[in-house]
Amino acid sequence: DAGVIQSPRHEVTEMGQEVTLRCKPISGHDYLFWYRQTMMRGLELLIYFNNNVPIDDSGMPEDRFSAKMPNASFSTLKIQPSEPRDSAVYFCASSPTGQVGHQPQHFGDGTRLSIL
Amino acid sequence: GQQVMQIPQYQHVQEGEDFTTYCNSSTTLSNIQWYKQRPGGHPVFLIQLVKSGEVKKQKRLTFQFGEAKKNSSLHITATQTTDVGTYFCAGRNYGQNFVFGPGTRLSVLP
Repeated sequence: DAGVIQSPRHEVTEMGQEVTLRCKPISGHDYLFWYRQTMMRGLELLIYFNNNVPIDDSGMPEDRFSAKMPNASFSTLKIQPSEPRDSAVYFCASSPTGQVGHQPQHFGDGTRLSIL
Repeated sequence: GQQVMQIPQYQHVQEGEDFTTYCNSSTTLSNIQWYKQRPGGHPVFLIQLVKSGEVKKQKRLTFQFGEAKKNSSLHITATQTTDVGTYFCAGRNYGQNFVFGPGTRLSVLP
């Protein structure tokens, strides 16, 4: 079975550029999560969706970050304009129906983002 | 807000030694999950604990949920080099906030 698919795997770009990260969750999963992982701050939940609707975006660092989920099989995380401090590994995860946090989360391989 | 802490931050053990990581929450949890992340990889779900005092085993791994549902532990018996990675706990409180701990990074020396 296909797991969570993220693209690109690696992204290197200059500060000020727009960055778009993509995620395809596991088919049939109702929840989709975006995380950011750095050595300093660990694994941070940025936003999560339930049935394509954003439920909690309190972890989104600032207005430069935005996330969308236009349908059940696709989500994007956009950073505009990007800054060097946004460099991190960004993970997408999905989980099946149920209360959030009561079902296992399945993580994608992540996007390693470097902003120069 | 809800905080989940883990100790130790790092642990180096000789292959064959035991290892334990502890997870502590500032609030009572409805459940706790454990994940493992290999170096360069992504977190992978290991197990979920729901009941007060619950103990679950997976081969050499033993997971425990505290009686007060505010702490948990993961114990590995006779570590192997394949156990290398970072172990995260993640807890959900009754206010429906779900938070990952900072993780414990395990190194196993052959």
